[in-house]
Amino acid sequence: KAGVTQTPRYLIKTRGQQVTLSCSPISGHRSVSWYQQTPGQGLQFLFEYFSETQRNKGNFPGRFSGRQFSNSRSEMNVSTLELGDSALYLCASSLTGGVGELFFGEGSRLTVL
Amino acid sequence: AQSVTQLGSHVSVSEGALVLLRCNYSSSVPPYLFWYVQYPNQGLQLLLKYTSAATLVKGINGFEAEFKKSETSFHLTKPSAHMSDAAEYFCAVSVGNQGGKLIFGQGTELSVKP
Repeated sequence: KAGVTQTPRYLIKTRGQQVTLSCSPISGHRSVSWYQQTPGQGLQFLFEYFSETQRNKGNFPGRFSGRQFSNSRSEMNVSTLELGDSALYLCASSLTGGVGELFFGEGSRLTVL
Repeated sequence: AQSVTQLGSHVSVSEGALVLLRCNYSSSVPPYLFWYVQYPNQGLQLLLKYTSAATLVKGINGFEAEFKKSETSFHLTKPSAHMSDAAEYFCAVSVGNQGGKLIFGQGTELSVKP
């Protein structure tokens, strides 16, 4: 069974640009969550999607957005990039999004110059 | 609000020694608790989870953790460290029907000396 796949794995952008990251969950998983990981702030929850609906949202500005498609694949977008957006963005999937195991992808490492 | 505190950002042990990584949580309702491990340039892998069943939880790779409500703790232990255990470990809490939302501790980097 294939794991959670995130693309791209690495990318470099400049301030003011926007970026879209993609996440393909494990087959059959309907919940996709996104996390930002930085050395200073650690792992912080961005948002969760379940059946194409945002079910939970973390404390991030509106520049961070996401969506989920009917096949459960998810994308997150960051507009007007800032230097502080440099981070590892992790996607996690679970069967129902209830209190169960989250399966994480390897992440997309974003560097903003 | 829920929170997690991991005591010690870095722990170093010798190979074969006991591993003890500390985690304390704050929650106004019964929590669900998790330990994850992250190897360099990889995502997180679940080691074990507590979901109100047995207070002593056994996980993968010989790790276990004990839920102590009176101490609001969920410390991770392994009797004998192996070089391959060197990684970063995260304690996390989930509450109620928050689905994929976990609150993570700051992480503890474990080093294992030969």
